[in-house]
Amino acid sequence: GAGVSQSPRYKVAKRGQDVALRCDPISGHVSLFWYQQALGQGPEFLTYFQNEAQLDKSGLPSDRFFAERPEGSVSTLKIQRTQQEDSAVYLCASSLAGGHSSYNEQFFGPGTRLTVL
Amino acid sequence: GNSVTQMEGPVTLSEEAFLTINCTYTATGYPSLFWYVQYPGEGLQLLLKATKADDKGSNKGFEATYRKETTSFHLEKGSVQVSDSAVYFCALTDQAGTALIFGKGTTLSVSS
Repeated sequence: GAGVSQSPRYKVAKRGQDVALRCDPISGHVSLFWYQQALGQGPEFLTYFQNEAQLDKSGLPSDRFFAERPEGSVSTLKIQRTQQEDSAVYLCASSLAGGHSSYNEQFFGPGTRLTVL
Repeated sequence: GNSVTQMEGPVTLSEEAFLTINCTYTATGYPSLFWYVQYPGEGLQLLLKATKADDKGSNKGFEATYRKETTSFHLEKGSVQVSDSAVYFCALTDQAGTALIFGKGTTLSVSS
């Protein structure tokens, strides 16, 4: 079956532009996560959805970052007025169940590499 | 909050050598522990996991044991192959038990 897909795979933006990154989770997966991975670093948590509800956005680095999942499926991460420090790979992951279960495997997409010039 | 520290790379080995990548963690409560692998040009994949103390996760010849007394989850493989060349990430669940907290990654390069 299809895994998590993300688009675009690569995005180049000029400083100050707005960008929108899309994530299509595995069908039926309740939970959806966004992570930011800077060059040479591990992924860092940005935000978490359970269905359409954004339950945790504590990792969003500034109010220029906004995420939504209006119908509980596809999610969009929007970055307004991009800065050079926003350059990173943005990873989306989904998992089957929600809530505080013992563990639900997170399946990762290939990521979107954002370069801000 | 929870955090993880893993051995810095790169690690360069010859085929059939023994591999250890160290990982230690700091956590409140009882996190689940994971090793993820990122092969060149591919996305992150779960390699193995352990959900409670003394559990051993294993997959593809790799093993790691959840050691609460030493707060460690070291990755080992008895005989590496060229195809194991990748970046390996140690991770644990956050205090809420949902999101993952990753280490910085260790690049493994295996030559024939």
